[in-house]
Amino acid sequence: GQQLNQSPQSMFIQEGEDVSMNCTSSSIFNTWLWYKQDPGEGPVLLIALYKAGELTSNGRLTAQFGITRKDSFLNISASIPSDVGIYFCAGQLGGGSEKLVFGKGTKLTVNP
Amino acid sequence: NAGVTQTPKFQVLKTGQSMTLQCAQDMNHNSMYWYRQDPGMGLRLIYYSASEGTTDKGEVPNGYNVSRLNKREFSLRLESAAPSQTSVYFCASIPWPNYGYTFGSGTRLTVV
Repeated sequence: GQQLNQSPQSMFIQEGEDVSMNCTSSSIFNTWLWYKQDPGEGPVLLIALYKAGELTSNGRLTAQFGITRKDSFLNISASIPSDVGIYFCAGQLGGGSEKLVFGKGTKLTVNP
Repeated sequence: NAGVTQTPKFQVLKTGQSMTLQCAQDMNHNSMYWYRQDPGMGLRLIYYSASEGTTDKGEVPNGYNVSRLNKREFSLRLESAAPSQTSVYFCASIPWPNYGYTFGSGTRLTVV
């Protein structure tokens, strides 16, 4: 089945630093999504990308849909303590299939 | 509040016991999903229901059964729990053709 390779697995940064994480796949996806999971909660959608090359921002978050449709990245600028959590990428094949394939997550720790 | 509600939030079972995890959404979404989350494994799809009256297997269906009782409710049943089913279980729903899943807050299941 499809697999997403998400990296890095974990990051330890200082408050104020920028963060970058990415996902790659051997399969082409029609939609890329980025989720954040706070401890003890379910994942929450941060950004959805629908077109190859699309660059979308949501506050301090910026994500891009790779031109090849096989990758995506998420950047967080000027990190703050509440950015702590696990970030998941997810790809959707489309073409009538709603199922999402998830990466294994990037665990972010922000030191004040 | 509108969203996806999962019950119970926590459960401890003995090996061989059975139980049903409940999920309900009040957003009139067509599709509902059950995922399990294990450390380092990301989110893996167990079963899904594209519409009321239909269910399909996901990536890891063995040991589970599901019922789409009506449009609102999608339950996951463990007939004979095993320690390998210790996990956090998430229910999610999605309207068609929107792409963003809404997740519940999870059920933390321990099988001893």
